[in-house]
Amino acid sequence: DIQMTQSPSALSASVGDRVTITCRASQSITSWLAWYQQRPGKAPKLLIYKASSLESGVPSRFSGSGSGTEFTLTISSLQPDDFATYYCQQYNSYSWTFGQGTKVEIK
Amino acid sequence: EVQLVESGGGLVKPGGSLRLSCAASGFDLNIYNMNWVRQAPGKGLEWVSSISKSSTYIYYADSVKGRFTISRDNAKNSLYLQMNSLRVEDTAVYYCARGVFGLDYWGQGTLVTVSS
Repeated sequence: DIQMTQSPSALSASVGDRVTITCRASQSITSWLAWYQQRPGKAPKLLIYKASSLESGVPSRFSGSGSGTEFTLTISSLQPDDFATYYCQQYNSYSWTFGQGTKVEIK
Repeated sequence: EVQLVESGGGLVKPGGSLRLSCAASGFDLNIYNMNWVRQAPGKGLEWVSSISKSSTYIYYADSVKGRFTISRDNAKNSLYLQMNSLRVEDTAVYYCARGVFGLDYWGQGTLVTVSS
């Protein structure tokens, strides 16, 4: 199975900060990567698919980049709604796998 | 409006069985692959199983293979997960989710607790 490793596991940031989360795959997944946001007690929400495509309705402050084994999710200017946990997920091959999550907390 | 509503969760003893359902509305289920994803309390997301539009292709995580069975009834706009030989480590919120290139809609989840 392809292992997905996110870093950091948690970060503290202030409103307006630029935040970057990294996701590494144990082997190439080309661009078959998605990013999700999950708020406490809620279902995950799709933010980015195919590594860099913004899901409809998602604010443009979210962006994704990368290919192969290294990917990033960037929030250009952190907003109060963005404090949540973020997960990457590979869908290059079954079994699909998720990263362990990155919790974004208020500084 | 796209909606996915899971049901069927509850408390079950180790070794027991449970059948989860996911009722889909607001879209044509016939043209979407569907999936189950779970999340143990306080833990991350774990993919469980996927089924293609016409049930031709089915995939399972190694952790549930041989114990869980995914199925769908497009005429009833429903997705199912039959869970047998349940273990304590199967305790989780189970979500149904739509899609294959990113999971674009998720249900609210149903809690399965396996405990004696």
